Amino acid sequence: EVQLLESGGGLVQPGGSLRLSCAASGFTLSNYGMNWVRQAPGKGLEWVSAISGRGATTYYADSVKGRFTISRDNSKNTLYLQMKGLRAEDTAIYYCAKDTGSWPRGALDVWGQGTTVTVSS
Amino acid sequence: QSALTQPASVSGSPGQSITISCTGTSSDIGGYNYVSWYQQHPGKAPKLMIYDVSERPSGVSNRFSGSKSAHTASLTISGLQAEDEADYYCSSYTSSSTLVFGGGTKLTVL
Repeated sequence: EVQLLESGGGLVQPGGSLRLSCAASGFTLSNYGMNWVRQAPGKGLEWVSAISGRGATTYYADSVKGRFTISRDNSKNTLYLQMKGLRAEDTAIYYCAKDTGSWPRGALDVWGQGTTVTVSS
Repeated sequence: QSALTQPASVSGSPGQSITISCTGTSSDIGGYNYVSWYQQHPGKAPKLMIYDVSERPSGVSNRFSGSKSAHTASLTISGLQAEDEADYYCSSYTSSSTLVFGGGTKLTVL
């Protein structure tokens, strides 16, 4: 069964750092475009970042560019999101999601259950 | 990149059809056939319902269909059922090689 399992969320102070992980099973993560999408409490979906399957090209929303870094460890079949300089507005449920193809064009067919990040003092 | 524009809410009775619109620009919806639609029930992760404007993933009911005209995409749900009540989001690939979502539409089945 194809599955994604996020972890690493928690409470962090403004300006702090956190690394989210997304463990994939049932498919080879490096063959597909992978994304992080977040949802603030009571709000809609916001795309955060993506990494292509081949070549590992990375893409970022303007709201996180320079603060967040997406990466993957092929040996562990795991996707990461390193977050630095966290702000209150980064508080959200963070989902990892798999694209249907190797190039992240936004057809996200498999989603994890999400991990909650709360930025507060 | 501004969010795509969706109506905040739509409603319909069981058995009826409804359409949710999603308006963008030439830099997103108007420029690419990479529009997707997602269904999200409360407390759950989103589920892909339509991709590439009108393609249905395996397992998604054929009551769901998608289309696009110029800068506006649409999701139509026919034969409304109680379980269709959920939030629906559109998304599009953009000219900046990013992804943009709509603000979401709450569907109420009366």
